[in-house]
Amino acid sequence: DAGVTQSPTHLIKTRGQQVTLRCSPKSGHDTVSWYQQALGQGPQFIFQYYEEEERQRGNFPDRFSGHQFPNYSSELNVNALLLGDSALYLCASSSQADLAGPRTGELFFGEGSRLTVL
Amino acid sequence: AQKITQTQPGMFVQEKEAVTLDCTYDTSDPSYGLFWYKQPSSGEMIFLIYQGSYDQQNATEGRYSLNFQKARKSANLVISASQLGDSAMYFCAMREGGSNDYKLSFGAGTTVTVRA
Repeated sequence: DAGVTQSPTHLIKTRGQQVTLRCSPKSGHDTVSWYQQALGQGPQFIFQYYEEEERQRGNFPDRFSGHQFPNYSSELNVNALLLGDSALYLCASSSQADLAGPRTGELFFGEGSRLTVL
Repeated sequence: AQKITQTQPGMFVQEKEAVTLDCTYDTSDPSYGLFWYKQPSSGEMIFLIYQGSYDQQNATEGRYSLNFQKARKSANLVISASQLGDSAMYFCAMREGGSNDYKLSFGAGTTVTVRA
C-alpha cells in the first residue's frame, strides 16, 4: 500500500521563477493538504483540497495556488518566488470519512519537497 | 497568539529511560483534538498519538502516552524506554473543533537525541 508520494524531492529555483510541486495521496484518501515548513519551525497550513476544490486556506498570498485532479492527486504552484519561500513543502492526505470520525484530523504525510530559492 | 507552544527546543535522553515533551495549547473551542507527530531527518511527519478534548482517559499508543491536563491546557508526550531510533523532531499539533476547520496548527517542535 503506497503512502503519500511527493515529487520532486529537492529543487533549486531563483527569485521570480515559478515552481510546481506534486503529491499523490495514500490509497483510499480523497483529501490533500499542503504545509510549508521553514527551517527550524513547525509546518504552517497552506490550503486543503477536496473534491477538486480548495476548501480551506491558511495565511498565504495568492502566489500560492493549487489544484486537485479527479484521481485525488494534487499540485502546489508558487509564482514569483521569494527567498523566504525556501522551505520543506509537505503534502498530507486524509479521507473525508476520517476527518469526521473520532480520530478527526489524523494526517498521513509525504517526505516533502525541499525548495531552495536563490 | 500562538496556538501551540513547545518550550523545549532540544532534549537529551539516555537509552531505555523515559522522556517527557511539553506542549501547551490555546483555544476557546470546547471541541478540539491534540496530536503528536515525529519527524525524523527524512522529513516525513509520522503520527504518534491523538487525544480528543472530550476523552476521559489519557491516550496511550505502545511506548507513547499523553499526559492530558485540560484545565492547564497541556498535552505532554511521554516516551517510555527510549530507543536510539526515537531521535527526531517531535511536534505537538491541534485541530480545533469547527466542522469547517480542517487545518492542524503545529508548535515549533522539540528535538530529541537519544544517547546510547
